[in-house]
Amino acid sequence: GESVGLHLPTLSVQEGDNSIINCAYSNSASDYFIWYKQESGKGPQFIIDIRSNMDKRQGQRVTVLLNKTVKHLSLQIAATQPGDSAVYFCAENTGGFKTIFGAGTRLFVKA
Amino acid sequence: DVKVTQSSRYLVKRTGEKVFLECVQDMDHENMFWYRQDPGLGLRLIYFSYDVKMKEKGDIPEGYSVSREKKERFSLILESASTNQTSMYLCATRTHSGRTDTQYFGPGTRLTVL
Repeated sequence: GESVGLHLPTLSVQEGDNSIINCAYSNSASDYFIWYKQESGKGPQFIIDIRSNMDKRQGQRVTVLLNKTVKHLSLQIAATQPGDSAVYFCAENTGGFKTIFGAGTRLFVKA
Repeated sequence: DVKVTQSSRYLVKRTGEKVFLECVQDMDHENMFWYRQDPGLGLRLIYFSYDVKMKEKGDIPEGYSVSREKKERFSLILESASTNQTSMYLCATRTHSGRTDTQYFGPGTRLTVL
């Protein structure tokens, strides 16, 4: 069935380094992908999105890369800061009501 | 600024009790969702509503019901709480604008059923 998964459940990076969080998806019909950040005690918060007709999109300190050939999505965070410590979810949507969320990757930032 | 509020941050109930979780949004969004979040399982959709008085089952509706009498309010009801319903419950909203699927989440309600 369809699934959105993450390669690593936890990621630990040094403050100031770049972080890369990976995600695999299996539904080739998905045409919209989103990254969410969830801080402790809060609900998920939208970070950045990308449509299937693009392979890269940049935001403020974040970049999302989409490789449709291997059904892979990644989130890159530049100059990682302590405030970036959170759980990151990728999600996919085929244009309907349903969004499929991955299990999440916990990012630890070491000072 | 987008705001989604949930009636309780923490809730402790006993097996068999009827539980109401309320979600209120101030963004005039048509779509509202209820998810539960469990470690290692991500977010799973329980129910969603695409308009007032309209509701659709999600992936795990068993043991739950919902109510949407007003656009801004979406309630999740556990008719008879069971211990396997101990979880984090997240409400989300989304505007019905083309193919954008940005969902805005509330802070969550952590429910413990004893």
